Order: sequence, then C-alpha cells, then structure tokens
Amino acid sequence: EAGVAQSPRYKIIEKRQSVAFWCNPISGHATLYWYQQILGQGPKLLIQFQNNGVVDDSQLPKDRFSAERLKGVDSTLKIQPAKLEDSAVYLCASSQYFSGSGDEQFFGPGTRLTVL
Amino acid sequence: ELKVEQNPLFLSMQEGKNYTIYCNYSTTSDRLYWYRQDPGKSLESLFVLLSNGAVKQEGRLMASLDTKARLSTLHITAAVHDLSATYFCAVDTGTASKLTFGTGTRLQVTL
Repeated sequence: EAGVAQSPRYKIIEKRQSVAFWCNPISGHATLYWYQQILGQGPKLLIQFQNNGVVDDSQLPKDRFSAERLKGVDSTLKIQPAKLEDSAVYLCASSQYFSGSGDEQFFGPGTRLTVL
Repeated sequence: ELKVEQNPLFLSMQEGKNYTIYCNYSTTSDRLYWYRQDPGKSLESLFVLLSNGAVKQEGRLMASLDTKARLSTLHITAAVHDLSATYFCAVDTGTASKLTFGTGTRLQVTL
C-alpha cells in the first residue's frame, strides 16, 4: 500500500514570495491533516479535512495560509506572502475514518521550507 | 488549552541500559500515540494506546497509559544504537481525532 505522498520535498524562497505544497493521502483515507513542524518542536496541526470539508482550521494563520482539498482526495497548502517564521517542515497526514475513536494517522515525508 | 509535556527533552544513554521517557498531559484523554522521528525524516508510528491501563510492547520499547494520572511512559530496555531518534507522544483530545504533540525527547544511545 502506497503511503502519503508530498511534493516538493524541499523549497527555498524569499520572504514575501508565495509557495504551495501538495499532498496525496493514502487511497481511501477520508481525513487529511496539515501540520507545521518548526525545528526542535513537535508538529502543530494547521488544518484538518474530512473528505473535502474543513473540520478544524483554528490554528491556521488565515491572513497568509490557505488550504483546499478538492474532490476529497489531494490537498494543497499555500502560503502567500511567506514570512521568515514560516520556515519549517510541513507534514501531511491521513487517517482512514472520521470517528474520533483513535484512528491512526499516517504521515508523509514532509516538505522542508526555508524562507530567506 | 491542552498541554503535552515530555521529559526529559534530551537523553543520552549507553547501550545496554534501561530508561523511561515520560509524557504528561493536562486534560482528560484516553487515546495516546507514540511516534519516532529520525533526523530529516517523517514520523513513524510506534504505539497506539486506546484505554486506561493499556500496555504495548515492540522489541525493546514498551509503552503504557494511565489516564487517571494523565501520564504515559515509553520504557527502553537494553538500549541499542539503532534506537537513537526523537520520540514524540501525541494526545488525541477526542475532538475529531485531533492530535496535540509533546515537545519531543531526543534520545542518543552511545556505544
């Protein structure tokens, strides 16, 4: 079974530029998550989708970050404009169900963003 | 706001020794996960603990959950160099399977 795919793996941009990340979850997984992991910290949830609807985006900086999950499969996360503090690894994860009953999340390899 | 704290933050131990990593959390939850992360890599699921008193073991690692004490432990038995990594616990708040991660424990096993 293929895992969660993400691209690109690395991205370097200058501040105030825009950037987009792509995620393809495990086939059949209903729930998709985007996390931000700053160096030396644990991942922090940015947004959670169930199919193509947003479940939780309370920690997403909506003035500059946006995300969508069209057709309930692939997802893109965009930052516009980027700030220095956005330098981090952006992890995508998926889980099979949306049940709140301890459904395991599987993580992709991440995209390492450096903002200069 | 849920807080998840791990200690120690950094652990250097010799091969063959035993040690325990602690994960404390601030709100009621009966679902906790342990993940491993190697440098530059993503998160690998180690254990899923879904009830009070749950204990799971895989090789030299054993995880347990005490929901009344809001505490999970990850015990390492006879450490080997291959266990060197950062270990995260993550608490499921029960709201749509949302995970809150701990600060991480960086484990270094020396020969």
